[in-house]
Amino acid sequence: EAAVTQSPRSKVAVTGGKVTLSCHQTNNHDYMYWYRQDTGHGLRLIHYSYVADSTEKGDIPDGYKASRPSQENFSLILELASLSQTAVYFCASSDRGGQYFGPGTRLTVL
Amino acid sequence: GEQVEQLPSILRVQEGSSASINCSYEDSASNYFPWYKQEPGENPKLIIDIRSNMERKQIQELIVLLDKKAKRFSLHITDTQPGDSAMYFCAARQGTGSKLSFGKGAKLTVSP
Repeated sequence: EAAVTQSPRSKVAVTGGKVTLSCHQTNNHDYMYWYRQDTGHGLRLIHYSYVADSTEKGDIPDGYKASRPSQENFSLILELASLSQTAVYFCASSDRGGQYFGPGTRLTVL
Repeated sequence: GEQVEQLPSILRVQEGSSASINCSYEDSASNYFPWYKQEPGENPKLIIDIRSNMERKQIQELIVLLDKKAKRFSLHITDTQPGDSAMYFCAARQGTGSKLSFGKGAKLTVSP
């Protein structure tokens, strides 16, 4: 099974601060994704990437940036964190089949 | 992007009975349909998937059916156990690219 790790696993940030969430995969997958999940809700795609040094906007990209410096690593950056960005963030990777998710990062913005 | 509707959002069944979750999609070019199980505090895990060249797939107690004409697919869990209690998400991938569109999820509770 795909191995996707995320760091940190939880974080408390202040409003207006900068937050960086990191994701690392060891499966040689070309595609990587960032989703957010709000309590009791589904998964919404923020950004994704199909090759290193390139990122694409997902369905809810506003307020987020992404960086894919290598095939293995994909970061999500919140330049100015806001209360509405409190959520659980999942990273995933895939080839042309199913996506495999990391353990998630619980972000609380105060 | 692709829209995926998932129903019901909540279902409760007795242990040993069957549970069914239904999803529909809009884009006839969608060609890959995975299902994920998410337990509380955990990440979504891929449990079964089906491609558009198939109508039925079974892995142990999990059965997925795909009706391309109706643009519907469904997950059936036979002989449910309390350990099947979780959130289940369906998803669909459009013909090109790798993006998945997810349903809003179904919370399954299996009572002993």
